[in-house]
Amino acid sequence: QVLLVQSGGEVKKPGSSVRVSCKASGGTFSSYAIAWVRQAPGQGLEWVATIKPIFGTTNYAQKFSGRVTISADESTGTAYMDLSSLRSDDTAIYYCAREGMVVPGYFQYWGQGTLVTVSS
Amino acid sequence: DIQMTQSPSTLSASVGDRVTITCRASQNINTWLAWYQQRPGKAPKLLIYQASNLESGVSSRFSGSGSGTEFTLTISSLQPDDFATYYCQQYDPHSPYTFGQGTNLEIK
Repeated sequence: QVLLVQSGGEVKKPGSSVRVSCKASGGTFSSYAIAWVRQAPGQGLEWVATIKPIFGTTNYAQKFSGRVTISADESTGTAYMDLSSLRSDDTAIYYCAREGMVVPGYFQYWGQGTLVTVSS
Repeated sequence: DIQMTQSPSTLSASVGDRVTITCRASQNINTWLAWYQQRPGKAPKLLIYQASNLESGVSSRFSGSGSGTEFTLTISSLQPDDFATYYCQQYDPHSPYTFGQGTNLEIK
């Protein structure tokens, strides 16, 4: 059984940066893409970025380009999301999710979510 | 980006009812579509992928259909645990992934 465990909640000042981690267990870490999806309070789901550890390739939603960097450490089975120049509207729960086994693109397994609060 | 539009935004129903949620894509996405259930305070849960494939372990009361630009999620006989928010998501390989705005299924 695949399990994704994320780091704890963060409170950050506007203009600062945050790093959220996502440690995977079960399954083969490198073989499947890991995505980051966020959900602002009371709002819907928004895809942020995806990394394919086996190739080291990344894709970013255009609105986050330049502010978000995702990475993966195959030796520890951990993915990371770094978000910089934080604004109040970045306040959200950030989920990591592993893409599907049949075809890539759908999110089969999800982390528990990490609440990032941006407030002065 | 491909826009995904769900209807209705809110659906009131009773235990035992059969309900259908619709998701429309702004362009042809073949069957690159998934459905998720999200309960309050929880992460989303995959129900359906490739428009009609039931995820392992998900109740057979859930079914998905459609292709191209119009898709449906049907729950055949609502159970108390089914009252939640449902999202569709397109994952066309040539476009950024996008979600519908969600459908809140509430108890009538």
